[in-house]
Amino acid sequence: KQEVTQIPAALSVPEGENLVLNCSFTDSAIYNLQWFRQDPGKGLTSLLLIQSSQREQTSGRLNASLDKSSGRSTLYIAASQPGDSATYLCAVRSYGGSQGNLIFGKGTKLSVKP
Amino acid sequence: GAGVSQTPSNKVTEKGKYVELRCDPISGHTALYWYRQSLGQGPEFLIYFQGTGAADDSGLPNDRFFAVRPEGSVSTLKIQRTERGDSAVYLCASSSDRPPDTQYFGPGTRLTVL
Repeated sequence: KQEVTQIPAALSVPEGENLVLNCSFTDSAIYNLQWFRQDPGKGLTSLLLIQSSQREQTSGRLNASLDKSSGRSTLYIAASQPGDSATYLCAVRSYGGSQGNLIFGKGTKLSVKP
Repeated sequence: GAGVSQTPSNKVTEKGKYVELRCDPISGHTALYWYRQSLGQGPEFLIYFQGTGAADDSGLPNDRFFAVRPEGSVSTLKIQRTERGDSAVYLCASSSDRPPDTQYFGPGTRLTVL
């Protein structure tokens, strides 16, 4: 059974710092991995999707990497801003079954202090 | 609208009552997913539709939960004889069936069972 773990559960940094959020998964037979942002009381906003054949994806100040063999992904945020404060969720889509559903970690709650 | 919409945004009901939650996916998206998110947790998969049919309903917790998508667009999640443990945010997502099959989420319906 696929399990997704995110470390740390919470992170507080001063504005301007570069930071890394970690995600690990137990079964490397994944179709893709997706990073989301969730603001309090809101739905999920997709940030980056990495297909299993890819090693990384970049969007603006965000860079996500994938090491499928070791079951790890990292989300790198450069020059953090107070507006980056949110919960960041990692989710994998596994082979087997309907391949439809995402399996999520519990998230990392990020606070960027001005 | 361009995104996934869900109605109502909030629903308060009494234990034992029946509720319906509605999801309008992005136009043209053939895949539709329902997830449930409890406080402090990542979303948990409930059911996945490909067109009108349920491709995977393995996440439905019991037979009080049922979902339909009769015309391959709008979907309704139905919960009978609600229990206090059903209180959560119910999220809907949709995606195309071609890569990158990013799942786009709606804002969710917050269900409170008193």
